[in-house]
Amino acid sequence: DVKVTQSSRYLVKRTGEKVFLECVQDMDHENMFWYRQDPGLGLRLIYFSYDVKMKEKGDIPEGYSVSREKKERFSLILESASTNQTSMYLCASGTGGYEKLFFGSGTQLSVL
Amino acid sequence: GENVEQHPSTLSVQEGDSAVIKCTYSDSASNYFPWYKQELGKRPQLIIDIRSNVGEKKDQRIAVTLNKTAKHFSLHITETQPEDSAVYFCAASSGGNNRLAFGKGNQVVVIP
Repeated sequence: DVKVTQSSRYLVKRTGEKVFLECVQDMDHENMFWYRQDPGLGLRLIYFSYDVKMKEKGDIPEGYSVSREKKERFSLILESASTNQTSMYLCASGTGGYEKLFFGSGTQLSVL
Repeated sequence: GENVEQHPSTLSVQEGDSAVIKCTYSDSASNYFPWYKQELGKRPQLIIDIRSNVGEKKDQRIAVTLNKTAKHFSLHITETQPEDSAVYFCAASSGGNNRLAFGKGNQVVVIP
């Protein structure tokens, strides 16, 4: 079974803190994605990466950055957390582009 | 970019009845249409997908139909069971830029 693991299930941070969300996949997938899920808004793409050290902006990249130093790991960084970044963050990986994505369990981030 | 809309936002059905969720998309170049199911507190999982060269695809009690002319596709669940209760997300490929555009999700409630 494909495993996509997100380091934290729940995270509470303060406004202005730098936040790291980690995601690791064990299936040697080329493509990795970070989504944000908010009630009534569905899944919105923040950033994605189709290779090591490569990154592409998604639909809502403002306030976020990413890092992909190794193929299996894709990190989402909030440089200075704000309350409007309180959300569920979902990591996904896949091979063959955007097809058949495998999602992690998500990190519920609360910024106070 | 691609815009995907789902209707209705919430659907309640009696156990054993059929459920139909419809999605519309805007980009006529989109060629891949997956459906993801997210049970309460769990990660989204791919349940079925269809490509633009196929009009219908079936997998046991679920089926997806695609109407390219009208730019809409639908998920059909027959003989619904309580475990079908979940949020269902449709998505469409956003042309060649290696990403999916998700709809906002449909809450399906199967009443025993």
